[in-house]
Amino acid sequence: DGGITQSPKYLFRKEGQNVTLSCEQNLNHDAMYWYRQDPGQGLRLIYYSQIVNDFQKGDIAEGYSVSREKKESFPLTVTSAQKNPTAFYLCASNHPYSNQPQHFGDGTRLSIL
Amino acid sequence: GENVEQHPSTLSVQEGDSAVIKCTYSDSASNYFPWYKQELGKGPQLIIDIRSNVGEKKDQRIAVTLNKTAKHFSLHITETQPEDSAVYFCAASNGNNRLAFGKGNQVVVIP
Repeated sequence: DGGITQSPKYLFRKEGQNVTLSCEQNLNHDAMYWYRQDPGQGLRLIYYSQIVNDFQKGDIAEGYSVSREKKESFPLTVTSAQKNPTAFYLCASNHPYSNQPQHFGDGTRLSIL
Repeated sequence: GENVEQHPSTLSVQEGDSAVIKCTYSDSASNYFPWYKQELGKGPQLIIDIRSNVGEKKDQRIAVTLNKTAKHFSLHITETQPEDSAVYFCAASNGNNRLAFGKGNQVVVIP
């Protein structure tokens, strides 16, 4: 079945540590996105990529980094510069044409040790 | 940028009744409005979407209406069932492939 796979489901970070969240899709979508979700809040865009080897900052990019070396993969690194990283992280993808639905993975919950 | 607001934040309905969630948006250029359902510990799932060239769209027990003049759109769920209990998010886009999300509504269907 086609879909978006995020791993791991739960992740713990120590102080001063960088951690990387994985997102893989087999939907043949060119565009991929990372969102952050905090309790009682909507989804806020961290980074997005419309095509391989290109990506843009979203609304809350500080303290995060991404790469897009393959169409299927869009990993997110939460760096030690992100002072409040505890959140639920969601990856999405779609065809990068106007108004195509975004499809989401089941998220990674990141917590601080 | 676009600002999307949802009301009410929590909605409780008796099983079999209808539920209505309303969203307002600020950018008159927005032309795409999806609704997502999110269950606990899961990612959001698209349940219905509407584009600005139509005023209403229906899919079985779910419908969405759009009022471009007033800049609001609503999700209607009829004959609610316990499995409809979830958090529902609305979103808006002006065609730039970026979605602005509301903060979500918790819908509780009481058996």
